[in-house]
Amino acid sequence: KAGVTQTPRYLIKTRGQQVTLSCSPISGHRSVSWYQQTPGQGLQFLFEYFSETQRNKGNFPGRFSGRQFSNSRSEMNVSTLELGDSALYLCASTWAATQYFGPGTRLTVL
Amino acid sequence: SQELEQSPQSLIVQEGKNLTINCTSSKTLYGLYWYKQKYGEGLIFLMMLQKGGEEKSHEKITAKLDEKKQQSSLHITASQPSHAGIYLCGADLLSNSGYALNFGKGTSLLVTP
Repeated sequence: KAGVTQTPRYLIKTRGQQVTLSCSPISGHRSVSWYQQTPGQGLQFLFEYFSETQRNKGNFPGRFSGRQFSNSRSEMNVSTLELGDSALYLCASTWAATQYFGPGTRLTVL
Repeated sequence: SQELEQSPQSLIVQEGKNLTINCTSSKTLYGLYWYKQKYGEGLIFLMMLQKGGEEKSHEKITAKLDEKKQQSSLHITASQPSHAGIYLCGADLLSNSGYALNFGKGTSLLVTP
């Protein structure tokens, strides 16, 4: 089976812009979670989707949103980008309590 | 404050030496995960511990969960350069919006020849 894929791998945006990141889980996995990783804060949970429904949400502002499609692919959107949003964004799909992570999208906000 | 504290923050060991990384939770632990991350890449699942006293091994890596101390330890025997990377512990901790996977800040491991 193919692993979790994330696109794009790298992205450069400027402050005030918005961005959409995509995550394709392992085939058959219906749960997708998103995380933000920065040197200062470490790895922080953003949200989790299961069968197109948001099941849990971390402590992030409303500028961060997501959705999941019927094929379990998920997108994450960040509006009005700030310099502090520069980070590695990871998604993971879950099966049998095991999380499988994608390689991440490195977002740089200038 | 960090709900999962890892120690040490970084570690440099000589190839062949043993080492231990600790992860302590400020909240009740119902299960704990260990991951390894190569710099700038995604996380690789190592193992999950669910019961107090549970011990699991994967190749030369052994992890144990002490529910009473709300702590887990990861032990690497006879370290090799391939063990280098960042080790993160994660746990489902109860928050205002339900259970969410929290992570420690990681332990950076360098293995020297």
